[in-house]
Amino acid sequence: SQTIHQWPATLVQPVGSPLSLECTVEGTSNPNLYWYRQAAGRGLQLLFYSVGIGQISSEVPQNLSASRPQDRQFILSSKKLLLSDSGFYLCAWSEGAFFGQGTRLTVV
Amino acid sequence: QKEVEQNSGPLSVPEGAIASLNCTYSDRGSQSFFWYRQYSGKSPELIMFIYSNGDKEDGRFTAQLNKASQYVSLLIRDSQPSDSATYLCASSGGGGNKLTFGTGTQLKVEL
Repeated sequence: SQTIHQWPATLVQPVGSPLSLECTVEGTSNPNLYWYRQAAGRGLQLLFYSVGIGQISSEVPQNLSASRPQDRQFILSSKKLLLSDSGFYLCAWSEGAFFGQGTRLTVV
Repeated sequence: QKEVEQNSGPLSVPEGAIASLNCTYSDRGSQSFFWYRQYSGKSPELIMFIYSNGDKEDGRFTAQLNKASQYVSLLIRDSQPSDSATYLCASSGGGGNKLTFGTGTQLKVEL
């Protein structure tokens, strides 16, 4: 069966620090992968999606970037975090139908 | 801009009753519709999806789709306290392999 792993579960980072969140999928090949952010009390906002290695589509201009170095690996990064980057970050696959456990990021 | 609208709630129903959750969408090109359950602090969990007009049943859950009215609903029969959560509606299609989410409806099932 397919599983999706996302880590870490929680993260507290100071303003201006870098960020790297990793997501891996098992049990499938060439999946469509997605990064979403959910701010407190708000809906899911699609940040990036990828249909293959090295291919990234950005949905919202922002302080974040994404990379897909391997078929089943998707990474979300930032060089310098802002307070507004706080939120619940979710990795998903298969058109976003299945989600990882999420990373709750608090920028202080 | 593609939008999916949900009433934020909270929707309160007594235990054992039918909970009815509603969702409207603006993009007539949307083809598939998804319902998720999200417990506080957790990631969304897919309940079911529907892409044909009419009803689709899965256990205590029934999804209903009316493309002419651009309306999707989720019925939960015999509601249980464990059903208390936020329910997210999402649409896909109309260009691109991605989902557009509503902001969710909070459901409270009371004893």
